[in-house]
Amino acid sequence: AQTVTQSQPEMSVQEAETVTLSCTYDTSESDYYLFWYKQPPSRQMILVIRQEAYKQQNATENRFSVNFQKAAKSFSLKISDSQLGDAAMYFCAYRSLGAGSYQLTFGKGTKLSVIP
Amino acid sequence: NAGVTQTPKFQVLKTGQSMTLQCAQDMNHEYMSWYRQDPGMGLRLIHYSVGAGITDQGEVPNGYNVSRSTTEDFPLRLLSAAPSQTSVYFCASSQLSGTSGYNEQFFGPGTRLTVL
Repeated sequence: AQTVTQSQPEMSVQEAETVTLSCTYDTSESDYYLFWYKQPPSRQMILVIRQEAYKQQNATENRFSVNFQKAAKSFSLKISDSQLGDAAMYFCAYRSLGAGSYQLTFGKGTKLSVIP
Repeated sequence: NAGVTQTPKFQVLKTGQSMTLQCAQDMNHEYMSWYRQDPGMGLRLIHYSVGAGITDQGEVPNGYNVSRSTTEDFPLRLLSAAPSQTSVYFCASSQLSGTSGYNEQFFGPGTRLTVL
């Protein structure tokens, strides 16, 4: 079974600064997806970014980018130019690539605070 | 499209009571699932379905029943609520793919359940 570990329960960042959230995972599979989800106080789960393990290029979405280190099984999220609206819980998640595999395995989350 | 809807948004039960959490989607998604979110635990899969008439257990299925009679609806039943089932419940849906491939999972807004 796969496991996802987020070792930082809480983090804070000054507005306009950059912050990196850590995620490691354990799997015996060679192909899979990794995700970062954002959960603001509204509780809605919002997909921030995804990475396919077979792609070496790190995914980026505007101010959000990842550092995917497949050999180290590490998948960190970098938020640049942090904004007040970035304050939320962030969850790292894993999904197998095989047909019929749809379940997401989540980490325990990191609560990000943005300081004005 | 309304996307994934869940009712109710909040519910308080007494120990031993039964209730059904409703989940519906209007995107014709074959895959639907239920997660529970507890503080410090991330989201954990309860049950999932890959189509009408097909359901299977996830990581934490005990105390919950599901059925899938239509593509649109995937209710979660608590037959005899216990305080340990106090949690936030999320329903999610996505398309299936015939071969391995990515289809985004869409989450509902969640139901906060308290069992006294």
